[in-house]
Amino acid sequence: SQKIEQNSEALNIQEGKTATLTCNYTNYSPAYLQWYRQDPGRGPVFLLLIRENEKEKRKERLKVTFDTTLKQSLFHITASQPADSATYLCALASGAGSYQLTFGKGTKLSVIP
Amino acid sequence: GAVVSQHPSWVICKSGTSVKIECRSLDFQATTMFWYRQFPKQSLMLMATSNEGSKATYEQGVEKDKFLINHASLTLSTLTVTSAHPEDSSFYICGGGPGEKLFFGSGTQLSVL
Repeated sequence: SQKIEQNSEALNIQEGKTATLTCNYTNYSPAYLQWYRQDPGRGPVFLLLIRENEKEKRKERLKVTFDTTLKQSLFHITASQPADSATYLCALASGAGSYQLTFGKGTKLSVIP
Repeated sequence: GAVVSQHPSWVICKSGTSVKIECRSLDFQATTMFWYRQFPKQSLMLMATSNEGSKATYEQGVEKDKFLINHASLTLSTLTVTSAHPEDSSFYICGGGPGEKLFFGSGTQLSVL
């Protein structure tokens, strides 16, 4: 069966450090992978999309890598700030030609001042 | 990014009553809208895919007669929880978009007494 695993349920880091979150998947052949941010009691907010032919993508302090051989994506936040504290979700399209997304359980990031 | 408006933000109802949740796409035409449910400390679980002008597609285990979906226009999808029971208490989120990225409403916290 298809699985998306975000290994760390929670991650605590010191302000200013780089946070690295991991997303592994099995039984998918994704054309792209997405990362979202979710704050408590709110809907997810789109952050980044990376395609299978892209190794890395950046947006301001965010960086995503995508290794289709390892079936893994890494999500980095550099120079982390307390405002980055949230749950980060990895998501994959459920099937070819579908925009329907399946989400991982998420990693709750806490940036400590 | 695209904007999805969801109402109400929260609702408390008595067991046995029905609750309607509205999801509007404000700046794009939503031929498809996805409805998710999220229990505390768990990830988003897809309940159904709402299709404009046709029947919704429900995920396995989701009762279509209990969770009625209507998508009569390109800007409005509604989810009605019929004869709600305490076990239906959850956070309901709709999401859609003009392409691969999904944009979500702010969610509806349903509490059934």
